[in-house]
Amino acid sequence: DVKVTQSSRYLVKRTGEKVFLECVQDMDHENMFWYRQDPGLGLRLIYFSYDVKMKEKGDIPEGYSVSREKKERFSLILESASTNQTSMYLCASSLDFYQPQHFGDGTRLSIL
Amino acid sequence: ELKVEQNPLFLSMQEGKNYTIYCNYSTTSDRLYWYRQDPGKSLESLFVLLSNGAVKQEGRLMASLDTKARLSTLHITAAVHDLSATYFCAVDKLLGTSYGKLTFGQGTILTVHP
Repeated sequence: DVKVTQSSRYLVKRTGEKVFLECVQDMDHENMFWYRQDPGLGLRLIYFSYDVKMKEKGDIPEGYSVSREKKERFSLILESASTNQTSMYLCASSLDFYQPQHFGDGTRLSIL
Repeated sequence: ELKVEQNPLFLSMQEGKNYTIYCNYSTTSDRLYWYRQDPGKSLESLFVLLSNGAVKQEGRLMASLDTKARLSTLHITAAVHDLSATYFCAVDKLLGTSYGKLTFGQGTILTVHP
C-alpha cells in the first residue's frame, strides 16, 4: 500500500513565523501535491510538483512556497504565517496523472 | 475557472434507504474522482471515472459520469451505518498536455442512522 506520511498531525505556531510542513511518500511517485481543507470549501490546491525541483502553482499559492529536493519529499513553507492560514493541510502523491492521488493523514495547523 | 458543486452538502439517511449525491461541474472534463473521508482521517479513493457513460460499482456505492451534462452521481443503495463519512468529488482538467490539477467539491457529509 502507498504510504504518504506527514511529519505532524497538529502544529501550533505564531503569526510571522516561518513554518515548514513535511511530506514523504514511499512509492516512488512522480507527482506530489499540497492542499488545504476548510469547512464548506472542500480541498483547494496550493502547489504541486511533477518532478524533482519542479513545481507548479495551484489555485491558492499566495503566502506559500514549496520545495522538492528529493523525489520522495515535498515540503510546504509558510514564509510568514498569518492567522488566515489556520487550516488542515493535506499532502498527496500519485504515480502519474492518470492514477488517483493518495493522501496523508493531514496536519492541523493553528496560527496564533 | 472550473467550479465543482456537490448537492446536498448534508445528508441524513435511515439505514436501508437509497439516495444519490450529485456532483456538477462548470467546464468540460472527462475525468472525475470520488473520495471518502472518515472523521480525523485521510481521503480514500473510491472511484475513478475516465469517460462519458462510465459506471463503477463497489458494494452499496455506484458512481456514474455524464460528461455532456457535466454531472456525476454517487448512488447509495440500502445504506448502512458504516457508510457514514464525508464524500468528495474531484474533477481533473487537462492542462496543456497532461492532467493532474484536481478541483474538489465542497463535500457531502453523510450520516446513516437506524
